[in-house]
Amino acid sequence: EPEVTQTPSHQVTQMGQEVILRCVPISNHLYFYWYRQILGQKVEFLVSFYNNEISEKSEIFDDQFSVERPDGSNFTLKIRSTKLEDSAMYFCASSAGQLNTEAFFGQGTRLTVV
Amino acid sequence: SQQGEEDPQALSIQEGENATMNCSYKTSINNLQWYRQNSGRGLVHLILIRSNEREKHSGRLRVTLDTSKKSSSLLITASRAADTASYFCAPLNSGNTPLVFGKGTRLSVIA
Repeated sequence: EPEVTQTPSHQVTQMGQEVILRCVPISNHLYFYWYRQILGQKVEFLVSFYNNEISEKSEIFDDQFSVERPDGSNFTLKIRSTKLEDSAMYFCASSAGQLNTEAFFGQGTRLTVV
Repeated sequence: SQQGEEDPQALSIQEGENATMNCSYKTSINNLQWYRQNSGRGLVHLILIRSNEREKHSGRLRVTLDTSKKSSSLLITASRAADTASYFCAPLNSGNTPLVFGKGTRLSVIA
C-alpha cells in the first residue's frame, strides 16, 4: 500500500539552528500538508501546498517557516532559526484531491530543540 | 476551515464492548472524516461520510451524520485492545480548506 514517508524520524538541534524536515508524499497526490503536534496537545495545521505554491497557512506558519517541493517528489519544511517551542512532532500528509478524498499521513519527525 | 469538537474527551471500556464517540461542528459541510492516532504516530484515515449520506459502515466501524444537528457519531463494535487510540473528526467545508483537528476522544480498551 502506498505511504507517506518522513525523514528523519527524530532530529535534535541546537536553538537557533536551521532544520529541514523531509517528506515523500504518495506519488500521484497533488495536495501536500504539514501539521505539528506539541507533546500532549492537538494536531495543528501549519500549511497546505498545491500546484507549487502555498494554498493556505495558519498563524503558526510565520516567516521562520518555509516549504518547498524541490524535485517533484520531496516536500520539505524548513525552520530557519529554531526555538525551544518548535519542539514537536511534525507530520506530513498528502491527498489526491480536495473534496471527498482522504489524507494520508506520514509517521512524523520528532523535532527536539535544545 | 472548521474543527470538530469530539465528545467525550476520554472513554474507557472493556474489550468486546462497543465504543461511541460524538462530533459536533458549527457550519455546513461537504463531508466529514474520522481519523485515528495511536500514541505518537501519524493519523490514519478511518472513514469519510458525505453530507448527503446518513450512515456508513466499514468493518466494525459505523458512522452516522445528522446535518440538521451538525453532528456525527463513530461507533466501534466489539472493541479490541488494539483500538486504543485517539479519535478525531474533521468536518470539511469546501475543497480549498485543509483538515483541522480538535482535541479528539482518547479511547482506552482494557483487555
